Amino acid sequence: DVVMTQSPLSLPVNIGQPASISCKSSQSLVYKDGNTFLSWFLQRPGQSPRRLIYKVSKRDSGVPDRFSGSGSGTDFTLKISRVEAEDVGVYYCLQGAHWRTFGQGTKVEIK
Amino acid sequence: EVQLVESGGGVIRPGESLRLSCAASGFRFDGSGMSWVRQPPGKGLEWVSGINWNGNSLDYSDSVRGRFIISRDNAKNSLYLQLNNVRAEDTALYYCVRDCSAGSCSSGNGDDAFDIWGQGTMVTVSS
Repeated sequence: DVVMTQSPLSLPVNIGQPASISCKSSQSLVYKDGNTFLSWFLQRPGQSPRRLIYKVSKRDSGVPDRFSGSGSGTDFTLKISRVEAEDVGVYYCLQGAHWRTFGQGTKVEIK
Repeated sequence: EVQLVESGGGVIRPGESLRLSCAASGFRFDGSGMSWVRQPPGKGLEWVSGINWNGNSLDYSDSVRGRFIISRDNAKNSLYLQLNNVRAEDTALYYCVRDCSAGSCSSGNGDDAFDIWGQGTMVTVSS
């Protein structure tokens, strides 16, 4: 089974400052069709998760451009260029190349 | 409106069974792969099971394999999860999610992967 390891698990940030979350997989996430199935989600308290990024770097409609995804193979990163108050919540990565596995989650809070 | 609505949750005792349902609307369900994801209170997300668009390919997490059964009825736009021999650690909010990762959908290039989530149905296992 594929293991997804996120870091850090807790991320206090100041508003206006950048933030970065790492997600590493135990196997390559490149599927046989050439796509890399790595997504990022944000779950705010009391809400269902919302997808932000899919296929490593494609931003979902309505997601601010301060969010960006990058990486390849087994190493991936979600970056927030300037954190805003509404960005608080838990961020998860998900691999979809070998059935599915979530990372443990990273809790982002304002300092 | 595109939506997924889960139902069937409740309080059950260890060893008992329960069937969860998910009603889909607003998108082509019979061409979509689907997954169940759960979240224990205060904890993270766990993928539980997935099924491709025609039911010919499915899988389970190690924690539920042999106890849970995923199925779908494309004529009814519905997804199901049969929970058997439940344990206290199965207590969680169960989400239904559209899943077009890795060829699970009949067409497209996999962009529709975990893009639609329901509100969840709560399962509590307690004696």
